[in-house]
Amino acid sequence: DVKVTQSSRYLVKRTGEKVFLECVQDMDHENMFWYRQDPGLGLRLIYFSYDVKMKEKGDIPEGYSVSREKKERFSLILESASTNQTSMYLCASSLGTGGYGANVLTFGAGSRLTVL
Amino acid sequence: GDSVTQMEGPVTLSEEAFLTINCTYTATGYPSLFWYVQYPGEGLQLLLKATKADDKGSNKGFEATYRKETTSFHLEKGSVQVSDSAVYFCALRRGGAQKLVFGQGTRLTINP
Repeated sequence: DVKVTQSSRYLVKRTGEKVFLECVQDMDHENMFWYRQDPGLGLRLIYFSYDVKMKEKGDIPEGYSVSREKKERFSLILESASTNQTSMYLCASSLGTGGYGANVLTFGAGSRLTVL
Repeated sequence: GDSVTQMEGPVTLSEEAFLTINCTYTATGYPSLFWYVQYPGEGLQLLLKATKADDKGSNKGFEATYRKETTSFHLEKGSVQVSDSAVYFCALRRGGAQKLVFGQGTRLTINP
């Protein structure tokens, strides 16, 4: 069964701390994504990556960076956490262009981050 | 830019009721359309999809028809169950793009 695993389900951090959220997929997918989920706002794309060491900004990249050193791993980094980054963070992956699965995202269970 | 608008929630129904969750979109070209579902404590999972006008996606008793003339993709189910309680997200993918654009989500609660 295909799987996207997010390393932490719940984190509590203090303002100004550096935060790493890790995501690993075992499906050999080319594309990986980081979304944040907030009530009433749905999912908003932070960053995505379509290949190792490649990244593109999504709709709300400010205050975030990402790293993709290996195909299976995509990390989200909050350089200096702020209270407005308290949210649920969802990682997803998908096949590259072409094929039935190219349109379909597989999501992890989410990481709920609280910044105090 | 591309956008998806869903009906306001939360929606509360009794078991065996008929369900409709409205979804309309704004996009250039001919996007693919999706419904994802998020059960409590879990990530999102694909419920159904449609890739061209007049296509009907279906799964687990849910259906949605891609209506280009009304730019809509409404989710329907004839008889809901308690186990359908979840948050439902409508989404689109513009041709050639890799990312999905999501609506705000609709929380559905089914009472026995």
